[in-house]
Amino acid sequence: RKEVEQDPGPFNVPEGATVAFNCTYSNSASQSFFWYRQDCRKEPKLLMSVYSSGNEDGRFTAQLNRASQYISLLIRDSKLSDSATYLCVVNIGNTGRRALTFGSGTRLQVQP
Amino acid sequence: GAGVSQTPSNKVTEKGKYVELRCDPISGHTALYWYRQSLGQGPEFLIYFQGTGAADDSGLPNDRFFAVRPEGSVSTLKIQRTERGDSAVYLCASSLSGTRGSYNEQFFGPGTRLTVL
Repeated sequence: RKEVEQDPGPFNVPEGATVAFNCTYSNSASQSFFWYRQDCRKEPKLLMSVYSSGNEDGRFTAQLNRASQYISLLIRDSKLSDSATYLCVVNIGNTGRRALTFGSGTRLQVQP
Repeated sequence: GAGVSQTPSNKVTEKGKYVELRCDPISGHTALYWYRQSLGQGPEFLIYFQGTGAADDSGLPNDRFFAVRPEGSVSTLKIQRTERGDSAVYLCASSLSGTRGSYNEQFFGPGTRLTVL
């Protein structure tokens, strides 16, 4: 079983739609949680951190459920420019291991 | 300011050859990471440097892979006797160093696309 599991998609949605991505992680010692965005043939870039209380950044909302080891990302009012692969990422910070563990990514294609 | 840079951007080599991939981190970042990304997968951790020393090399797949960071800045990932399965994008990231248990954002370079024929 992979440490971080995501639905690979692709999710094909029209502009203006709301889309939700889910992710589960297996290591209960995970301390930090993130969503990264990766455009085709580009490097991953941090989209947002994810907190237990939930957090919002404009059209993006992230949620974390530690009990279920589940992370979500909601994108409202999708734009063409949101088309990318979204990577769910965890870090086991408190053991000193700083490496990030990535899911395989969920591909989003927003269509006009 | 300048981000993480990696050279070469593309490298094509033949099976059995030796390759070196270079990473220049963001100035002032003491932590440096190497990841490998295969097609359709997320990046997979290879090795992490704190300063000049390898603090965690648990992700290196075998002893053909080695990395150095002799002066605590530029790092080189070295692959001996390359195999077709080594073909991937090799990503480097750097971050500030925080206290144990804290997290500092990792900034990724554009990667080196390695193709082993």
